[in-house]
Formats: sequence, C-alpha cells, structure tokens
Amino acid sequence: AQRVTQPEKLLSVFKGAPVELKCNYSYSGSPELFWYVQYSRQRLQLLLRHISRESIKGFTADLNKGETSFHLKKPFAQEEDSAMYYCALRRGSQGNLIFGKGTKLSVKP
Amino acid sequence: NAGVMQNPRHLVRRRGQEARLRCSPMKGHSHVYWYRQLPEEGLKFMVYLQKENIIDESGMPKERFSAEFPKEGPSILRIQQVVRGDSAAYFCASSPTADSNQPQHFGDGTRLSIL
Repeated sequence: AQRVTQPEKLLSVFKGAPVELKCNYSYSGSPELFWYVQYSRQRLQLLLRHISRESIKGFTADLNKGETSFHLKKPFAQEEDSAMYYCALRRGSQGNLIFGKGTKLSVKP
Repeated sequence: NAGVMQNPRHLVRRRGQEARLRCSPMKGHSHVYWYRQLPEEGLKFMVYLQKENIIDESGMPKERFSAEFPKEGPSILRIQQVVRGDSAAYFCASSPTADSNQPQHFGDGTRLSIL
C-alpha cells in the first residue's frame, strides 16, 4: 500500500541550526514527492517538489529512491520557518495526494 | 485571483443533521480534490472531481457522504446524518489540469464540529 511516513511529530531547533525533516514513502512505482507547509493561521501551500529540484526559502529536498526518502533540509533555520510541514506523494498520473501526518517545526531564538 | 475559497470556515451541526461544505476552485481550475484531516492526523484523500464528473471517489465513506461539482457553481461535499466521528477539518484543493506538473492549491478548510 502507498504510504508516507514522517517519524517526527515535533522538531525543535535553535535559530541558525541545521534542520532536517524526515520523510519516507512506500510506493512501488515512480512517485512524485512534494513538501507542503502551513504557517500559523495560513492555508496549506506548496513548498517544493522533487521534479523541480529547486531551493525555496533555503529549503532543499532530494529524492533518494534507494532509501525511499525525501527529507527536507535547511542549513540554517530561521524563526519564520516555524510551521507544520507535510510530505506528500502523488502516484504517477493519479491526481490525489497521499500525505504524511506532518511535523511541527519550532525554531527558537 | 482569490485562490481556492471554502465556506463556511466553521460549521457546527448536531448529530443527525446534514452538513454542506462548499469549495470554489481557483479561476481557470477545473479539477477539485477533497481531503479530510482528523485531529493529529495528516490529510486523507476523499474524492477527485472534474466539472460534472466524479473521477475518483476511492477515499469516500460508502454511506452518508457525497460530492458534486456542477457545471456552474462550487463543488459541494455533503454529509448526511452527521455523527461525532465526522468532526474534522475538510480541505479542498484545485488544479487547472491533472497534469503532474500542476500542483494542487488548497483552501483554508472548513472545520466541522458535531455536537
């Protein structure tokens, strides 16, 4: 069955520290992976997707098919990065997304 | 472009009543997705619709739940005879096509509370 696992419910770091939000997936085909972010009192919004291989707000994520992972990384966390982060998978041409349970990132001053 | 609009933002119903949740997709988007988020859980897919068609309803409960996306007007998620377990946040997302290059844009959600 297709599944997305985010093992950490809460991740707390200090400002300037590196941060890595883990995401593992289970899917036999070629998935599309996304990271969505939800800041306080805002709607869920797309942060980045693996096919773009882009860096948004200093965040990057690399798809590792061998480890079936798509971890989100940032070398120096900022307080404004505090938010809920959701990893999501889309199965090939299927439209819907499969979400992980989310990780709450708290960046302390 | 106002983005995906959902209303109401909060909806309170008593057990046995009906709940209607509305979603207006972004302008130019003809694909709509509904997701449900239970407390402490991630978003779970419910149904995927195009104008006047249900494409995938594999995530919809078999009873009491229905969805439509008419030619004119918003998409409606309807829950009949609500029960306490229906309390959740319901999110709608839209995209212009089903193309994998097109990300889904989400609304603010409707928080449904069942008394």
